[in-house]
Amino acid sequence: NAGVMQNPRHLVRRRGQEARLRCSPMKGHSHVYWYRQLPEEGLKFMVYLQKENIIDESGMPKERFSAEFPKEGPSILRIQQVVRGDSAAYFCASSLQGVPEKLFFGSGTQLSVL
Amino acid sequence: AQSVTQLGSHVSVSEGALVLLRCNYSSSVPPYLFWYVQYPNQGLQLLLKYTSAATLVKGINGFEAEFKKSETSFHLTKPSAHMSDAAEYFCAVTPARNNNDMRFGAGTRLTVKP
Repeated sequence: NAGVMQNPRHLVRRRGQEARLRCSPMKGHSHVYWYRQLPEEGLKFMVYLQKENIIDESGMPKERFSAEFPKEGPSILRIQQVVRGDSAAYFCASSLQGVPEKLFFGSGTQLSVL
Repeated sequence: AQSVTQLGSHVSVSEGALVLLRCNYSSSVPPYLFWYVQYPNQGLQLLLKYTSAATLVKGINGFEAEFKKSETSFHLTKPSAHMSDAAEYFCAVTPARNNNDMRFGAGTRLTVKP
């Protein structure tokens, strides 16, 4: 859905660098979800945030990954010290009410780690 | 735990032919089931959803899906394929309406031949 904006569309990083993925939800949406899609696999839930709060991060790797959704500005998914296994498509979705059936997805960020 | 399996990572049909994309689910509790479509270079869009009401669910663009508990299936169909239906289709399941643990299938890429 064109309303959820993700940037960059493609991101190339070398091993050990940091990756920052941005997601601006649809206007008026205060719930943001991040998913990761590995090649030949479905989308896997990573984290669910509301403004300034992490609600559920059960799908997030314990190390190197973090997410935030500040009061102002986009949601950020941050991956420190990237490794080749982090190469994937990362999708952001937003909703108005925090109900999964009413998710609107962005076009994703394709992260490639060299 | 909930999961979905999409049978066939690639399906090819001729324009005007029946489209059948298969999805089987596994759930320990009554599931909510979804089909999403992803067009090239776009985010996922909700096609249709089953949330314990009618077992035959109609969605956008002429697609429909039938929930069959006895077969644990939620196959997606369309009577007559159109070229514009070429896309990637994802089946998803969540165990409760506001559960953030939506599980996606690996996706099925639909090709429509003229």
